[in-house]
Amino acid sequence: DAGVTQSPTHLIKTRGQQVTLRCSPKSGHDTVSWYQQALGQGPQFIFQYYEEEERQRGNFPDRFSGHQFPNYSSELNVNALLLGDSALYLCASSPMGGGENEQFFGPGTRLTVL
Amino acid sequence: KQEVTQIPAALSVPEGENLVLNCSFTDSAIYNLQWFRQDPGKGLTSLLLIQSSQREQTSGRLNASLDKSSGRSTLYIAASQPGDSATYLCAVTGGSYIPTFGRGTSLIVHP
Repeated sequence: DAGVTQSPTHLIKTRGQQVTLRCSPKSGHDTVSWYQQALGQGPQFIFQYYEEEERQRGNFPDRFSGHQFPNYSSELNVNALLLGDSALYLCASSPMGGGENEQFFGPGTRLTVL
Repeated sequence: KQEVTQIPAALSVPEGENLVLNCSFTDSAIYNLQWFRQDPGKGLTSLLLIQSSQREQTSGRLNASLDKSSGRSTLYIAASQPGDSATYLCAVTGGSYIPTFGRGTSLIVHP
């Protein structure tokens, strides 16, 4: 049973560019959440997708957008990249609509903005 | 707004010691609390999930307790090993269903 997978593993972009990160949830999970983790900090919640809709959103600007596909996989898009967007981006999946259910995390995508 | 604090921020111990990591939160109206392990530059591995109605959970050498009224959780690691070296994070999920993470405790267990 594959766990949560993310691609790519690493990514280097320049300021102003756009980036797309991808996530496949654990088998049987229908809810995907995205987090940003800066060095030395805990993960910060970006948004959560369930039934192909954004259900919850953290305190992130509209430059951060996402999508969930019918197979429950998800994408995170970031436009007009800033130096401060450099971080580890983590995807987590959970079953049955998420809520109070256990979350399982992927290995993350390390984004560096130059 | 929920705030989660983890103490200590860093810990270095010799192999074999029993350890206690602390997590405190400001809003006791929670659904669950989850402990994670994170190796450098890697994703999070779930260790234990405690629902709000539970007082503790155990898995192998790990035991986590929850005291909602005082806003505290502890992660107890018995007989620590060098392979336990990692950052340990706690996350609290409340009414918004948005988990709030602490900054973690960085643990080094030396032989």
